[in-house]
Amino acid sequence: DTGVSQNPRHKITKRGQNVTFRCDPISEHNRLYWYRQTLGQGPEFLTYFQNEAQLEKSRLLSDRFSAERPKGSFSTLEIQRTEQGDSAMYLCASSLAQYGNQPQHFGDGTRLSIL
Amino acid sequence: GEDVEQSLFLSVREGDSSVINCTYTDSSSTYLYWYKQEPGAGLQLLTYIFSNMDMKQDQRLTVLLNKKDKHLSLRIADTQTGDSAIYFCAESYNTDKLIFGTGTRLQVFP
Repeated sequence: DTGVSQNPRHKITKRGQNVTFRCDPISEHNRLYWYRQTLGQGPEFLTYFQNEAQLEKSRLLSDRFSAERPKGSFSTLEIQRTEQGDSAMYLCASSLAQYGNQPQHFGDGTRLSIL
Repeated sequence: GEDVEQSLFLSVREGDSSVINCTYTDSSSTYLYWYKQEPGAGLQLLTYIFSNMDMKQDQRLTVLLNKKDKHLSLRIADTQTGDSAIYFCAESYNTDKLIFGTGTRLQVFP
């Protein structure tokens, strides 16, 4: 069990550029979640997948944001035309959905800074 | 709507017990969690409790749940300097999205 892996760990970009983050979940986990955490706050839910199906999207996920999980394994989160307000830590988590609780396990996040 | 509240800061002496409190509003929550976050890192799952339980103990950690008052607490026995971190309470309904509190920063001094 290598845990949830996120890349890159840090991303600095200019306003208006597009960025893409990758998340590799724990291998047998079928659910994958994205959260955003701003300074001094708890994480806020963005979206989640069960296998390759995107089952829920938060109102926080504007049309500049898109997430995919094409083969039900790794996921990517893309932000187009980045804005200052997108600066945050983007956290990925995974879990195994089956009978009984399977809690979410988090990666170390990707910190995005918009110049 | 869904809301989770925590006090912002707690300071304790090394070796004492720490108690971190959390209140939540969603009565349909089925699981409640405690996560720990160290600077620059992701969230580490500490423990969780199903809503039909009122207590769970795991080594130095004790979770108490008062479902009537929608109050959750985390007690850390024999607190160590390595326990200094931000602690997040979170709730969920089955295995859906987590709703987090704003976190409690625990500072342990010698």
